[in-house]
Amino acid sequence: GESVGLHLPTLSVQEGDNSIINCAYSNSASDYFIWYKQESGKGPQFIIDIRSNMDKRQGQRVTVLLNKTVKHLSLQIAATQPGDSAVYFCAERRIIADSGGSNYKLTFGKGTLLTVNP
Amino acid sequence: SQTIHQWPATLVQPVGSPLSLECTVEGTSNPNLYWYRQAAGRGLQLLFYSVGIGQISSEVPQNLSASRPQDRQFILSSKKLLLSDSGFYLCAWSSTRPAPQETQYFGPGTRLLVL
Repeated sequence: GESVGLHLPTLSVQEGDNSIINCAYSNSASDYFIWYKQESGKGPQFIIDIRSNMDKRQGQRVTVLLNKTVKHLSLQIAATQPGDSAVYFCAERRIIADSGGSNYKLTFGKGTLLTVNP
Repeated sequence: SQTIHQWPATLVQPVGSPLSLECTVEGTSNPNLYWYRQAAGRGLQLLFYSVGIGQISSEVPQNLSASRPQDRQFILSSKKLLLSDSGFYLCAWSSTRPAPQETQYFGPGTRLLVL
């Protein structure tokens, strides 16, 4: 069946280090992925997205890598800061079956808790 | 700019009582709307989505229902709450202008505790 999951449920890094959060997906037809950050007690916040016709996309201090061969994507955070401490979710796009291909829903992974130590 | 609101922020309800959670979106029209539930330390489970007024699709059988009485208003309800309804409820929206977009933007959430 389709699934989106994360290899590591928790990740602890030192302030200033780079962080890498991984995500595996099983639906080879997935063509769009999003990373979200969720701080404690808050709603998820969009970080960065990537389409399947790309293998890398960069934002401010964040980079998403997509490896379609092994159905894996990762989120890299450069110079991790205490404010980066949160749960990070990957999500894949699925087309809503009865929408004629015009509407989408997202399937989320379980999340990785990133803790940044000062 | 677009904003999404949810209320209440926190709610404690007895088992068997009714529930009504509200979500409103500002700054856009005809958005797709979603209700998710997040159990403690878990991922997001899609409960309902709506592509228009009065159009509700349910993802999983449950004790909850949803309604969309207005274009930018999405309501999550229950007639009788169960203990298992406790959790963090998130509303999200995605744009359909000029075409349906994949990215969903989340509200601040409502924490529900059923005792």
